Amino acid sequence: SQQGEEDPQALSIQEGENATMNCSYKTSINNLQWYRQNSGRGLVHLILIRSNEREKHSGRLRVTLDTSKKSSSLLITASRAADTASYFCATDPQGAQKLVFGQGTRLTINP
Amino acid sequence: SAVISQKPSRDICQRGTSLTIQCQVDSQVTMMFWYRQQPGQSLTLIATANQGSEATYESGFVIDKFPISRPNLTFSTLTVSNMSPEDSSIYLCSAALGGFNEQFFGPGTRLTVL
Repeated sequence: SQQGEEDPQALSIQEGENATMNCSYKTSINNLQWYRQNSGRGLVHLILIRSNEREKHSGRLRVTLDTSKKSSSLLITASRAADTASYFCATDPQGAQKLVFGQGTRLTINP
Repeated sequence: SAVISQKPSRDICQRGTSLTIQCQVDSQVTMMFWYRQQPGQSLTLIATANQGSEATYESGFVIDKFPISRPNLTFSTLTVSNMSPEDSSIYLCSAALGGFNEQFFGPGTRLTVL
């Protein structure tokens, strides 16, 4: 079964607001990554956080990782219409030699 | 980083036929992967394409249905064989430069089987 569970499945907010998406996983990991997918396109890597890190920033993105709770969150601040996309977390489980993707959150930013 | 292209970008095929999807990377990469993404769903890993040896398939995917080639460090193909409507999906190629850090994805091939 899929390693990552994300919530919410869909999120609709007004431009300028912050968007928070959550990801939970089941086994020990080496790292956790977040990707964005615009409709009908390939995935774009956003940020990677290693298992020994707790928080990471990249521009308007903030990612946290709680390995004790096996969960991560992605915060997008000051959202823009161009942020409308699906966001996926992906884990690199220890010993698995692959990435396992969550179900994704479909984010809509309303102008 | 790596830039990945896929051909074709989309195709409509008849039941029982086969389609080969090509994936080209603009630099030599360690790992290449093939994923399937059904409409509105997440990505499911089909297999890891190994250079010079047989691909490593995930549970539920077999070589007879999804033969994969990887003749060098920049190119791979995935064939969807004896297609049925259930094979209608987006097929994505990705590459990693080393370990399991970020993966770079191609734009995908949208396949419709009638």
